[in-house]
Amino acid sequence: GAVVSQHPSWVICKSGTSVKIECRSLDFQATTMFWYRQFPKQSLMLMATSNEGSKATYEQGVEKDKFLINHASLTLSTLTVTSAHPEDSSFYICSAQKTGTPTEEQFFGPGTRLTVL
Amino acid sequence: QKEVEQDPGPLSVPEGAIVSLNCTYSNSAFQYFMWYRQYSRKGPELLMYTYSSGNKEDGRFTAQVDKSSKYISLFIRDSQPSDSATYLCAMSVNTDKLIFGTGTRLQVFP
Repeated sequence: GAVVSQHPSWVICKSGTSVKIECRSLDFQATTMFWYRQFPKQSLMLMATSNEGSKATYEQGVEKDKFLINHASLTLSTLTVTSAHPEDSSFYICSAQKTGTPTEEQFFGPGTRLTVL
Repeated sequence: QKEVEQDPGPLSVPEGAIVSLNCTYSNSAFQYFMWYRQYSRKGPELLMYTYSSGNKEDGRFTAQVDKSSKYISLFIRDSQPSDSATYLCAMSVNTDKLIFGTGTRLQVFP
């Protein structure tokens, strides 16, 4: 199997606070994980690529100081939304790439719904 | 122009119908083509994965890639109410950065 979990599944926080979201590959190791954001009725937009043991690569327009990514092990990546504001409210989804297979598919977590009041 | 275009629907069909979902793209460098199914408030689930052009079949699902036309399709035969979901196409140049379509919402009614 290739199971990816996310925690928490939903979170509500006050404006100005920070929120940490965890992404874990449960039954495989993932050198590379990806973080996406999805607004209602819109597609997934890649925010950043997270590589184990190195700095994340952010997509254009994504503030690296606001969205802190840490990929400390081959099974865990975290996304911290710092000083969250209502416009950061969204559905955050991670994926983990199963390396060593011919297609190196990405397997997605169930997502975390963030609501900033 | 978006790199990947997908009709958002919604597409409503009766149970048993053949469903055709499509995406067009502009980047001729795309080599990997995927279809994902996403239920409401859930993460995407990989349905089909195709490299380069051609057809791929898996049960009731068939994926087609026409690189000359920059057009990909997903066909669902004998559609079921449980197929009701949003279907996302995605593609990439290599195996990392995925570019997604906006998704087509499908509803199969009994």
